Amino acid sequence: NAGVMQNPRHLVRRRGQEARLRCSPVKGHSHVYWYRQLPEEGLKFMVYLQKENIIDESGMPKERFSAEFPKEGPSILRIQQVVRGDSAAYFCASSYRDSEKLFFGSGTQLSVL
Amino acid sequence: GESVGLHLPTLSVQEGDNSIINCAYSNSASDYFIWYKQESGKGPQFIIDIRSNMDKRQGQRVTVLLNKTVKHLSLQIAATQPGDSAVYFCAENIRSSASKIIFGSGTRLSIRP
Repeated sequence: NAGVMQNPRHLVRRRGQEARLRCSPVKGHSHVYWYRQLPEEGLKFMVYLQKENIIDESGMPKERFSAEFPKEGPSILRIQQVVRGDSAAYFCASSYRDSEKLFFGSGTQLSVL
Repeated sequence: GESVGLHLPTLSVQEGDNSIINCAYSNSASDYFIWYKQESGKGPQFIIDIRSNMDKRQGQRVTVLLNKTVKHLSLQIAATQPGDSAVYFCAENIRSSASKIIFGSGTRLSIRP
Protein backbone atom coordinates (compact mmCIF):
# COMPACT_ATOMS: atom_id res chain seq x y z
CA ASN A 1 0.00 0.00 0.00
CA ALA A 2 2.60 2.51 -1.16
CA GLY A 3 1.78 6.16 -0.76
CA VAL A 4 3.28 9.01 -2.74
CA MET A 5 6.99 8.37 -3.20
CA GLN A 6 9.37 11.26 -3.69
CA ASN A 7 13.07 11.11 -4.36
CA PRO A 8 15.58 12.13 -3.55
CA ARG A 9 14.76 13.02 0.04
CA HIS A 10 17.55 15.59 0.11
CA LEU A 11 19.20 17.22 -2.88
CA VAL A 12 22.20 19.53 -2.76
CA ARG A 13 23.08 21.58 -5.81
CA ARG A 14 25.48 24.40 -6.55
CA ARG A 15 24.25 27.59 -8.15
CA GLY A 16 23.77 27.12 -11.88
CA GLN A 17 23.21 23.36 -11.75
CA GLU A 18 19.99 21.56 -12.56
CA ALA A 19 17.71 19.92 -10.00
CA ARG A 20 15.39 17.05 -10.88
CA LEU A 21 12.77 16.03 -8.36
CA ARG A 22 10.78 12.84 -8.87
CA CYS A 23 7.34 11.86 -7.69
CA SER A 24 5.50 8.56 -8.06
CA PRO A 25 1.82 9.00 -7.19
CA VAL A 26 -0.35 6.57 -5.28
CA LYS A 27 -1.18 3.62 -7.53
CA GLY A 28 -4.34 4.44 -9.46
CA HIS A 29 -4.06 8.19 -9.00
CA SER A 30 -3.83 10.20 -12.20
CA HIS A 31 -3.73 13.70 -10.69
CA VAL A 32 -0.39 15.08 -9.47
CA TYR A 33 0.36 18.38 -7.76
CA TRP A 34 3.59 20.09 -6.78
CA TYR A 35 3.90 22.48 -3.86
CA ARG A 36 6.80 24.44 -2.43
CA GLN A 37 7.30 25.20 1.25
CA LEU A 38 9.71 27.55 2.99
CA PRO A 39 10.49 27.10 6.70
CA GLU A 40 7.67 28.22 8.98
CA GLU A 41 5.40 28.93 6.03
CA GLY A 42 2.50 27.24 4.29
CA LEU A 43 2.52 25.31 1.05
CA LYS A 44 2.47 27.34 -2.15
CA PHE A 45 0.80 25.74 -5.15
CA MET A 46 3.06 25.38 -8.17
CA VAL A 47 1.51 23.10 -10.76
CA TYR A 48 -1.26 20.55 -11.30
CA LEU A 49 -0.80 17.79 -13.87
CA GLN A 50 -2.71 14.85 -15.21
CA LYS A 51 -1.13 12.18 -17.33
CA GLU A 52 0.71 13.93 -20.19
CA ASN A 53 -1.11 17.21 -19.54
CA ILE A 54 -0.43 20.35 -17.53
CA ILE A 55 -3.77 21.45 -16.13
CA ASP A 56 -2.72 24.50 -14.12
CA GLU A 57 0.79 25.94 -13.88
CA SER A 58 -0.19 29.32 -12.49
CA GLY A 59 2.12 28.90 -9.48
CA MET A 60 5.23 28.05 -11.47
CA PRO A 61 7.87 30.69 -12.14
CA LYS A 62 7.90 31.48 -15.84
CA GLU A 63 11.59 30.73 -16.24
CA ARG A 64 13.81 27.83 -15.21
CA PHE A 65 10.97 25.69 -13.80
CA SER A 66 9.16 22.95 -15.69
CA ALA A 67 7.09 19.92 -14.79
CA GLU A 68 5.92 16.83 -16.58
CA PHE A 69 3.87 13.73 -15.86
CA PRO A 70 4.52 11.29 -18.70
CA LYS A 71 2.33 8.38 -19.68
CA GLU A 72 4.84 6.03 -18.09
CA GLY A 73 7.02 6.82 -15.13
CA PRO A 74 7.08 9.40 -12.36
CA SER A 75 6.25 13.07 -12.46
CA ILE A 76 9.35 15.26 -12.70
CA LEU A 77 9.82 18.79 -11.42
CA ARG A 78 12.86 20.28 -13.10
CA ILE A 79 14.64 23.42 -12.01
CA GLN A 80 17.35 24.69 -14.33
CA GLN A 81 20.23 26.96 -13.29
CA VAL A 82 19.27 26.85 -9.63
CA VAL A 83 19.77 29.89 -7.43
CA ARG A 84 19.93 30.13 -3.63
CA GLY A 85 16.33 31.32 -3.52
CA ASP A 86 15.21 27.95 -4.90
CA SER A 87 16.21 26.30 -1.61
CA ALA A 88 13.00 24.93 -0.11
CA ALA A 89 11.04 21.76 0.53
CA TYR A 90 9.17 20.59 -2.54
CA PHE A 91 6.16 18.39 -1.93
CA CYS A 92 4.30 16.27 -4.41
CA ALA A 93 0.73 15.12 -3.88
CA SER A 94 -1.64 12.90 -5.82
CA SER A 95 -5.37 12.36 -5.84
CA TYR A 96 -7.88 9.99 -7.36
CA ARG A 97 -10.37 12.74 -8.11
CA ASP A 98 -9.68 16.20 -9.48
CA SER A 99 -8.32 18.33 -6.61
CA GLU A 100 -9.85 16.35 -3.78
CA LYS A 101 -8.28 14.54 -0.86
CA LEU A 102 -4.65 15.02 -1.82
CA PHE A 103 -2.12 12.56 -0.44
CA PHE A 104 1.36 13.98 0.04
CA GLY A 105 4.83 12.52 -0.20
CA SER A 106 7.58 13.18 2.32
CA GLY A 107 9.06 15.92 0.17
CA THR A 108 12.44 16.73 -1.32
CA GLN A 109 14.55 19.23 0.57
CA LEU A 110 16.53 21.19 -2.00
CA SER A 111 19.58 23.06 -0.78
CA VAL A 112 21.42 25.34 -3.17
CA LEU A 113 24.97 26.21 -2.16
CA GLY B 1 -5.53 33.08 -0.49
CA GLU B 2 -1.96 31.91 -0.65
CA SER B 3 -0.31 31.58 2.70
CA VAL B 4 2.33 34.10 3.51
CA GLY B 5 4.02 34.93 6.76
CA LEU B 6 7.24 35.10 8.63
CA HIS B 7 6.17 32.75 11.41
CA LEU B 8 3.28 30.56 12.37
CA PRO B 9 0.79 31.42 15.11
CA THR B 10 0.91 28.97 17.99
CA LEU B 11 -1.88 27.45 20.03
CA SER B 12 -0.84 25.97 23.37
CA VAL B 13 -3.21 23.44 24.91
CA GLN B 14 -3.14 21.35 28.06
CA GLU B 15 -2.98 17.62 27.39
CA GLY B 16 -6.47 16.18 27.64
CA ASP B 17 -8.22 19.44 26.81
CA ASN B 18 -10.00 20.12 23.54
CA SER B 19 -8.24 22.13 20.83
CA ILE B 20 -9.91 24.48 18.40
CA ILE B 21 -7.95 25.67 15.39
CA ASN B 22 -9.47 28.35 13.21
CA CYS B 23 -9.07 29.28 9.57
CA ALA B 24 -10.49 32.03 7.40
CA TYR B 25 -10.72 31.08 3.74
CA SER B 26 -10.55 33.45 0.87
CA ASN B 27 -12.92 32.53 -1.91
CA SER B 28 -16.69 32.33 -1.72
CA ALA B 29 -16.61 30.06 -4.79
CA SER B 30 -14.69 27.34 -2.91
CA ASP B 31 -16.80 24.24 -2.45
CA TYR B 32 -14.46 21.78 -0.78
CA PHE B 33 -12.22 22.15 2.26
CA ILE B 34 -9.57 19.99 3.86
CA TRP B 35 -7.58 19.99 7.09
CA TYR B 36 -4.00 18.71 7.07
CA LYS B 37 -1.56 17.94 9.84
CA GLN B 38 2.17 18.37 9.24
CA GLU B 39 4.74 17.03 11.65
CA SER B 40 8.31 18.25 11.56
CA GLY B 41 10.22 16.94 8.56
CA LYS B 42 7.20 15.24 7.04
CA GLY B 43 4.65 15.88 4.35
CA PRO B 44 1.12 17.05 5.18
CA GLN B 45 -1.21 14.30 6.32
CA PHE B 46 -4.92 14.34 5.49
CA ILE B 47 -7.15 14.66 8.56
CA ILE B 48 -10.68 15.41 7.43
CA ASP B 49 -12.57 17.11 4.61
CA ILE B 50 -15.94 18.79 4.18
CA ARG B 51 -18.01 19.96 1.24
CA SER B 52 -19.78 23.30 1.12
CA ASN B 53 -23.22 21.69 1.31
CA MET B 54 -22.42 20.63 4.88
CA ASP B 55 -21.70 22.68 7.99
CA LYS B 56 -20.28 19.96 10.21
CA ARG B 57 -18.46 16.69 9.80
CA GLN B 58 -17.03 14.39 12.44
CA GLY B 59 -14.17 11.95 12.37
CA GLN B 60 -12.27 10.09 15.02
CA ARG B 61 -11.62 12.68 17.76
CA VAL B 62 -11.87 15.49 15.18
CA THR B 63 -14.73 17.69 14.03
CA VAL B 64 -14.69 20.24 11.22
CA LEU B 65 -17.15 23.14 11.25
CA LEU B 66 -17.86 25.27 8.20
CA ASN B 67 -19.49 28.71 8.33
CA LYS B 68 -19.95 29.87 4.77
CA THR B 69 -21.53 33.16 5.80
CA VAL B 70 -18.30 34.44 7.29
CA LYS B 71 -15.99 32.13 5.30
CA HIS B 72 -14.67 30.44 8.41
CA LEU B 73 -13.50 26.90 9.02
CA SER B 74 -12.52 25.32 12.31
CA LEU B 75 -10.96 22.05 13.41
CA GLN B 76 -11.80 20.71 16.83
CA ILE B 77 -9.61 18.01 18.37
CA ALA B 78 -11.06 16.25 21.38
CA ALA B 79 -8.88 15.15 24.31
CA THR B 80 -5.67 16.48 22.81
CA GLN B 81 -2.71 14.11 23.06
CA PRO B 82 1.06 14.69 22.75
CA GLY B 83 0.94 13.07 19.30
CA ASP B 84 -1.32 15.88 18.12
CA SER B 85 1.62 18.32 18.27
CA ALA B 86 2.10 19.54 14.72
CA VAL B 87 1.31 22.38 12.33
CA TYR B 88 -2.26 22.33 11.07
CA PHE B 89 -3.26 23.75 7.69
CA CYS B 90 -6.65 24.35 6.21
CA ALA B 91 -6.97 24.14 2.43
CA GLU B 92 -9.69 25.07 -0.04
CA ASN B 93 -10.54 23.99 -3.54
CA ILE B 94 -10.94 27.16 -5.53
CA ARG B 95 -13.02 26.13 -8.51
CA SER B 96 -13.64 29.66 -9.79
CA SER B 97 -10.69 29.27 -12.12
CA ALA B 98 -8.84 26.04 -12.75
CA SER B 99 -9.44 23.54 -10.02
CA LYS B 100 -6.65 23.50 -7.46
CA ILE B 101 -6.11 23.20 -3.74
CA ILE B 102 -4.80 26.32 -2.02
CA PHE B 103 -3.40 26.19 1.51
CA GLY B 104 -4.00 28.73 4.21
CA SER B 105 -1.43 29.86 6.73
CA GLY B 106 -0.85 27.20 9.35
CA THR B 107 -1.23 27.04 13.12
CA ARG B 108 1.28 25.30 15.33
CA LEU B 109 -0.38 23.22 18.04
CA SER B 110 1.73 22.78 21.15
CA ILE B 111 0.70 20.40 23.93
CA ARG B 112 1.49 21.15 27.58
CA PRO B 113 1.93 18.08 29.80
